Amino acid sequence: SQQGEEDPQALSIQEGENATMNCSYKTSINNLQWYRQNSGRGLVHLILIRSNEREKHSGRLRVTLDTSKKSSSLLITASRAADTASYFCATAWLEYGNKLVFGAGTILRVKS
Amino acid sequence: DAEITQSPRHKITETGRQVTLACHQTWNHNNMFWYRQDLGHGLRLIHYSYGVQDTNKGEVSDGYSVSRSNTEDLPLTLESAASSQTSVYFCASSLRTGSYNEQFFGPGTRLTVL
Repeated sequence: SQQGEEDPQALSIQEGENATMNCSYKTSINNLQWYRQNSGRGLVHLILIRSNEREKHSGRLRVTLDTSKKSSSLLITASRAADTASYFCATAWLEYGNKLVFGAGTILRVKS
Repeated sequence: DAEITQSPRHKITETGRQVTLACHQTWNHNNMFWYRQDLGHGLRLIHYSYGVQDTNKGEVSDGYSVSRSNTEDLPLTLESAASSQTSVYFCASSLRTGSYNEQFFGPGTRLTVL
């Protein structure tokens, strides 16, 4: 499978703490995207990082990409209860026609 | 505001019946996708379309079909529903072919096949 794999599968933290989720993948990619899914809802795009980028920020989100290790991390700083959700990485590569392949996700619970 | 909608939101059907799930987007996006989401598997691509009259098979297309007669709609049909097709189905769209495009997701349809 070319699927990205997230680690950990589940994460429980206190409000105000930072949350870090990791994603590993198997083949060279064009870009990597992170999505959030609240319970019972569809996925929402958070951030896209291109293969030639190493770090990207968006508000409280920080994404890094290490193409040599075929891995990415999503850091959510100063987490809030509203950040409770599942987070998915999705990879795109040219050989797959630029479609997205999603990992199984990390379930984040932020306790208030 | 532009949006992507799915109907029905919940559906219970019996094995062997034909079922059609609707997806409608008002983004005017060329690309539309159908995924299924099961515990432990993330989202898996069923079918996708890059424009009117264009349809393509994804990773798990057996037992499913789609048709694209206009830009806005991509209905997903289960020809003869099986219990293994019990899942949550998501439709998504994106603006252009090419990987630098985020996908916009509908709210999902929870399908139960008894």
